[in-house]
Amino acid sequence: GENVEQHPSTLSVQEGDSAVIKCTYSDSASNYFPWYKQELGKRPQLIIDIRSNVGEKKDQRIAVTLNKTAKHFSLHITETQPEDSAVYFCAASRWNTDKLIFGTGTRLQVFP
Amino acid sequence: KAGVTQTPRYLIKTRGQQVTLSCSPISGHRSVSWYQQTPGQGLQFLFEYFSETQRNKGNFPGRFSGRQFSNSRSEMNVSTLELGDSALYLCASSTGTMNTEAFFGQGTRLTVV
Repeated sequence: GENVEQHPSTLSVQEGDSAVIKCTYSDSASNYFPWYKQELGKRPQLIIDIRSNVGEKKDQRIAVTLNKTAKHFSLHITETQPEDSAVYFCAASRWNTDKLIFGTGTRLQVFP
Repeated sequence: KAGVTQTPRYLIKTRGQQVTLSCSPISGHRSVSWYQQTPGQGLQFLFEYFSETQRNKGNFPGRFSGRQFSNSRSEMNVSTLELGDSALYLCASSTGTMNTEAFFGQGTRLTVV
């Protein structure tokens, strides 16, 4: 079945350090992998996404890598700031649908 | 451009009742998906609609149903409410071109007592 595993469930880092969140998906037909950030009491918002024809994508302090062979994708946040504190969700989707299968989320805390 | 609007924001219902939640997508978006968010289960997919047709359905009992109207607005209905249905229900809209950004609404917080 379709499943996305996400680790770790919680992550605490010092301001300025890097944070890495890892996800593994089971459906080999998945080809779209977005990452969402959800602050407390707010809606999930897309922060970066990657498609299966790309191995890496970067947007300022955020980067995502994809290893299709291993069915792994990861989120990297560099120079973390307190405002990065939130829950981050990875997700996977097939090409012919907008249905997203979400990971269980990672609560990131950045301490000043 | 207005974002995704969900109504109502909060609902309290009694076990056994039914409830209807509404979602107005971003103007021009034709795809609407629904998700249930709970602390224990995370974000679980409920349905996906495109041009008034259900394109996908998640693993929820038949008490959960939905529909989409010609103006792309969507509703979901839960009948015979159970305590375990208490959750944040989120809808997301996208253009309908596959694998593009899904924009989420603020959600409807449903409490079943």
